[in-house]
Amino acid sequence: GQNIDQPTEMTATEGAIVQINCTYQTSGFNGLFWYQQHAGEAPTFLSYNVLDGLEEKGRFSSFLSRSKGYSYLLLKELQMKDSASYLCAVSPFYGGSQGNLIFGKGTKLSVKP
Amino acid sequence: DSGVTQTPKHLITATGQRVTLRCSPRSGDLSVYWYQQSLDQGLQFLIQYYNGEERAKGNILERFSAQQFPDLHSELNLSSLELGDSALYFCASSVRQGASGAPLDGELFFGEGSRLTVL
Repeated sequence: GQNIDQPTEMTATEGAIVQINCTYQTSGFNGLFWYQQHAGEAPTFLSYNVLDGLEEKGRFSSFLSRSKGYSYLLLKELQMKDSASYLCAVSPFYGGSQGNLIFGKGTKLSVKP
Repeated sequence: DSGVTQTPKHLITATGQRVTLRCSPRSGDLSVYWYQQSLDQGLQFLIQYYNGEERAKGNILERFSAQQFPDLHSELNLSSLELGDSALYFCASSVRQGASGAPLDGELFFGEGSRLTVL
């Protein structure tokens, strides 16, 4: 079966660092993605990992371990505008396209002053 | 603004009815994906079209169908609507396509969604 797990909610303080974990079990693997979704808005792409290791992109970093079926999103120097849901998604191998993503239910992050 | 346009933004209808949701992808993007987002299920992949042809199917009900037209806009048709079909329906397009129609880095650009309420 296909399963992606991530915490439902997290709270962190402005200026701090937060790590959002994601574990996955899918029938195939063609990349792991993180998206940000503010309430009532469309998801926006944050990061992509297909090989093991850390990908850094400004204040955001994403890590992948394929052997453990595990990823995390690291947000540094938190700002109030980072309050949003963070969606972990895996691309299984559906005819070669990466866009057919299996999403987790998202982690709602609240950043407090 | 992602460049992906969806209409209508909101739609309220009754059980048993049929609705059509429309999506225009970003200029130059050949792939269109449809996703459904409900409170209990999260974002679920429904179907993908690439340059007018169906490329992949996900958890799409038989009551639902889609197509992509020569001008690359796409429509999602939902029929015999049930209360449980109430959800946010997103369309997304790919930033780049390889020869197979696969996004080269998996980045999807989502439209603002069409919120469907079935009463």
